[in-house]
Amino acid sequence: SQTIHQWPATLVQPVGSPLSLECTVEGTSNPNLYWYRQAAGRGLQLLFYSVGIGQISSEVPQNLSASRPQDRQFILSSKKLLLSDSGFYLCALDRAHFATNEKLFFGSGTQLSVL
Amino acid sequence: GESVGLHLPTLSVQEGDNSIINCAYSNSASDYFIWYKQESGKGPQFIIDIRSNMDKRQGQRVTVLLNKTVKHLSLQIAATQPGDSAVYFCAERGSSNTGKLIFGQGTTLQVKP
Repeated sequence: SQTIHQWPATLVQPVGSPLSLECTVEGTSNPNLYWYRQAAGRGLQLLFYSVGIGQISSEVPQNLSASRPQDRQFILSSKKLLLSDSGFYLCALDRAHFATNEKLFFGSGTQLSVL
Repeated sequence: GESVGLHLPTLSVQEGDNSIINCAYSNSASDYFIWYKQESGKGPQFIIDIRSNMDKRQGQRVTVLLNKTVKHLSLQIAATQPGDSAVYFCAERGSSNTGKLIFGQGTTLQVKP
């Protein structure tokens, strides 16, 4: 079965500092991968998705970027964090075969606090 | 635009009672719906899904009902247990297979012992 590894679980960063969150998956090949952000007490907002190595689609304009250097690795980055970047960041993959955006399987998330 | 929303932000039920969590959606072309459960500090966990060509689907202690006429989705939890306490999100997929999931704001379910 697929597993998603996200780290760190919590992160406190000063405004203006860089960010790198890593997501790695096991138990599947060529997965569709997603980065979501969840503000406190809110729903999930799709930030980026990737259907393959080097293929990144951005859903909303923002201070963040994503990269997929390997099939099972998805990285979320920022050069200079803003206060508004605080939130719970979740990596996800499609669990359904031959379909997108079905049965998304989420990682355990990273709680980012920008101070 | 597309939107998914929940009627009540918080639902409080007695242990052993049935729970009904509601969700309204606005895109009549949505073809797939899904419910997630999220416990504090954790990622969302898949509960049950349903396609637009169905109006009911049952799982273990859970049932999802889809009413396309009024664009309404509900999650029924039978014999609610303390472990069911969490935030529940509905989500819709706006178009066939290539659309993205759009999540609602979530309903907090509180189970009283």
